Order: sequence, then structure tokens, then C-alpha cells
Amino acid sequence: EPEVTQTPSHQVTQMGQEVILRCVPISNHLYFYWYRQILGQKVEFLVSFYNNEISEKSEIFDDQFSVERPDGSNFTLKIRSTKLEDSAMYFCASTLTGVGGTEAFFGQGTRLTVV
Amino acid sequence: AQSVTQPDIHITVSEGASLELRCNYSYGATPYLFWYVQSPGQGLQLLLKYFSGDTLVQGIKGFEAEFKRSQSSFNLRKPSVHWSDAAEYFCAVGLKAAGNKLTFGGGTRVLVKP
Repeated sequence: EPEVTQTPSHQVTQMGQEVILRCVPISNHLYFYWYRQILGQKVEFLVSFYNNEISEKSEIFDDQFSVERPDGSNFTLKIRSTKLEDSAMYFCASTLTGVGGTEAFFGQGTRLTVV
Repeated sequence: AQSVTQPDIHITVSEGASLELRCNYSYGATPYLFWYVQSPGQGLQLLLKYFSGDTLVQGIKGFEAEFKRSQSSFNLRKPSVHWSDAAEYFCAVGLKAAGNKLTFGGGTRVLVKP
């Protein structure tokens, strides 16, 4: 069965450092997403990406965040200068046709710990 | 404002007993509806989805959910719970008019007693 893969599974970084979270979506999917889940809280939408550009972003997704699909297979989330409150589980997801068309497949997540 | 509510934060159920998890949404139109399960240390796995048609949908692992438009609800059920069903369950909704994304409820953690 096709799956979304994320690396690393766990990353510890110092406050102020840059981190890049990596995702390989399902190969024929067209819509890509990042969500995050702060410990004990709900899963929150960060950003959606379609046709090589951001299609929507949440209030959380400020100038410290960026996304990129550098080579047609990887989908990355960069946090330029991490803060303690960025500590969370980050999920990548992909869909073939967007919400309502087909289901969203989620990766296993990257647990980011900012110290 | 659009929202998804899962009223029960924790539910404890005995193995073999039935389970029902509640989900209510507040949207201007009928959204697309999903239930995901997250086992400890794992990602989000889709249990079932509702787009249109029959309001009772069957999913994997013996789960089913019923969409009730009049109550803006999409409750998840399982007739007989197994110990492996212990996990966190998330209801999620999507609405194209509200952007091409999912909005999640707060989750319900299910504990299964032997």
C-alpha cells in the first residue's frame, strides 16, 4: 500500500536554530499539507501546497515557516528560527484531488523538540 | 465560526463491549467527514469517510459511523471493542468552500479494560 514517509522521526534542536522536516508524499498525489499537534492538543492545519505554490496557510504559518517541493518527490517544511513553542508533532499529508475527492494519507510524523 | 467538537476527552470501555464516540460540527454546509485513529507513537490512519449518499458508512477494523444532518453529528461506533482498539480517535471535517484542508476535533482517548 502506498504511504507517506517522513524523516526524521524525532528531532531535537536548540532554540533559534533552523530545522528542515522532510516528507515524501504518495507519488501521484497533487495536494500536500503540513499539520502539527502540540502535545495534548488537537491536530492543526499549517499549510497546503498545490501546483508548486502555497494554496492556503493558517495564522500559525508565519514568516518563520516555509515549504518547498525541491525535486518533484520531496516536500519539506523549514522553520527558520525555532522557538520553544514550536515543539510539536508535525504531520505531512497528501491527497490526489484535495479535500472531498479522496482521503488524505498522513505520514507517521516528526516529533520536534526545541530546547 | 466553523468548528469540530468531540465532547468526550477520555472513554474507558471493557473489552467486548460496544463503543460510541461522538463528533459534532458547526459548518454552514455539509462538510466531508472523516474519522482517523492514532495509536501510540503512530501517525493518523483513516478509519472511514463520508462524502455523500448512504448516511451509515462502514470502515476498517469493524468501525462504522452515522451521519445525521439534523444533529450535525458523525458518531463513530464499534459493536465489540478489542484491546488493540485502545488509541486516540480524531474526527475531522473538510469543506472546499472553507479551503482545501481538514479541521480536526480535539480527539477522544479510548482505554480498553480487560
